[in-house]
Amino acid sequence: GQSLEQPSEVTAVEGAIVQINCTYQTSGFYGLSWYQQHDGGAPTFLSYNALDGLEETGRFSSFLSRSDSYGYLLLQELQMKDSASYFCAVRVHSNSGYALNFGKGTSLLVTP
Amino acid sequence: DSGVTQTPKHLITATGQRVTLRCSPRSGDLSVYWYQQSLDQGLQFLIHYYNGEERAKGNILERFSAQQFPDLHSELNLSSLELGDSALYFCASSVEAGSPDTQYFGPGTRLTVL
Repeated sequence: GQSLEQPSEVTAVEGAIVQINCTYQTSGFYGLSWYQQHDGGAPTFLSYNALDGLEETGRFSSFLSRSDSYGYLLLQELQMKDSASYFCAVRVHSNSGYALNFGKGTSLLVTP
Repeated sequence: DSGVTQTPKHLITATGQRVTLRCSPRSGDLSVYWYQQSLDQGLQFLIHYYNGEERAKGNILERFSAQQFPDLHSELNLSSLELGDSALYFCASSVEAGSPDTQYFGPGTRLTVL
């Protein structure tokens, strides 16, 4: 089967650093994606890791370890606007195509 | 703004009814994906179309169907609606069928079944 595990909630203080972990079990792994979703809004693509290591995009970084079936999203210099849900996702093969299987999401609350 | 449009934004209907949700992908994107998001189920993949052809199917009920038209817009049809179908329905688009990892989501349609 396939599963993605991530914490349901994380709280952090403005200006701090927070790490959101994601462990996965899947066959035919291609890479790990991260999406951000504000309350009532649409998911927004953040990053994609196909190879081991750290990818940095501004205040956000994403890490992947294929051997550990593990990845994380690192948010630095937290701002109030970073309060949102964060989803990790893996590609799945279905019929003659592909789709994304999303984790249940981590709700991040940034406090003053 | 992702460039993906969805209509309507909100839809309120009764059990047993049928509704159609519409999605226009970003210019140049050939793939359209449909997702259902409810409070207790997270983002559930329903179906994927690429250039008019169905490519992948997820947890889509038999009461639900979709199609993608020659102009690449897509419609999701939900029939014999039940209370449990109340959810946010998103469509997303990507350039190719083989690169689903980066998807651009529309603003969603909030469906309420009374």
